[in-house]
Amino acid sequence: AQKVTQAQTEISVVEKEDVTLDCVYETRDTTYYLFWYKQPPSGELVFLIRRNSFDEQNEISGRYSWNFQKSTSSFNFTITASQVVDSAVYFCALSERGFGNEKLTFGTGTRLTIIP
Amino acid sequence: DTGVSQDPRHKITKRGQNVTFRCDPISEHNRLYWYRQTLGQGPEFLTYFQNEAQLEKSRLLSDRFSAERPKGSFSTLEIQRTEQGDSAMYLCASSKRTGNYNEQFFGPGTRLTVL
Repeated sequence: AQKVTQAQTEISVVEKEDVTLDCVYETRDTTYYLFWYKQPPSGELVFLIRRNSFDEQNEISGRYSWNFQKSTSSFNFTITASQVVDSAVYFCALSERGFGNEKLTFGTGTRLTIIP
Repeated sequence: DTGVSQDPRHKITKRGQNVTFRCDPISEHNRLYWYRQTLGQGPEFLTYFQNEAQLEKSRLLSDRFSAERPKGSFSTLEIQRTEQGDSAMYLCASSKRTGNYNEQFFGPGTRLTVL
């Protein structure tokens, strides 16, 4: 069975500080996908990034960066120079390469609060 | 295209009543998913459609829950004899294969409160 663990329930940082959100996953599949979603107070899930299990290259997109390490089954997310607009709940998710049903298994989320 | 839409956005009902939610996916998306999100938790998979066929149901989907996608376009999720434990956000997502993966796009959700 697949499982995603986000051990950090809540994090608060002062604006402009860097912050890293941790994600650890479990799966028996060799082919899988990892995701990060943002859920602002409005409630709608916003897709941030997807990585597949064969691509361990780290990625940077503006102030966001992701560190994927298969050896430790982790897919961590770093926000550099945080802003108040980054305040939200962030979910890490896993999808195994099933036969068409690529359902997502989500972690419990990390609530990030950026203090002005 | 305006994205995935869900109706209603909020529903308050009394225990024992039936409720129905609607999801309109993005046009031409042949896959549709329902998830449930309770307070402080991540979304949990409920069921999945490919076109009009319901191909998988989670054990979370008790006999009181039924989902349909009659013409392979919009979908409905009905809960019969609601219980307080059904209070949650019900999220719909749709997808269409892009490359090797189906990107799922989520709607704004329907928040159900059972009194």
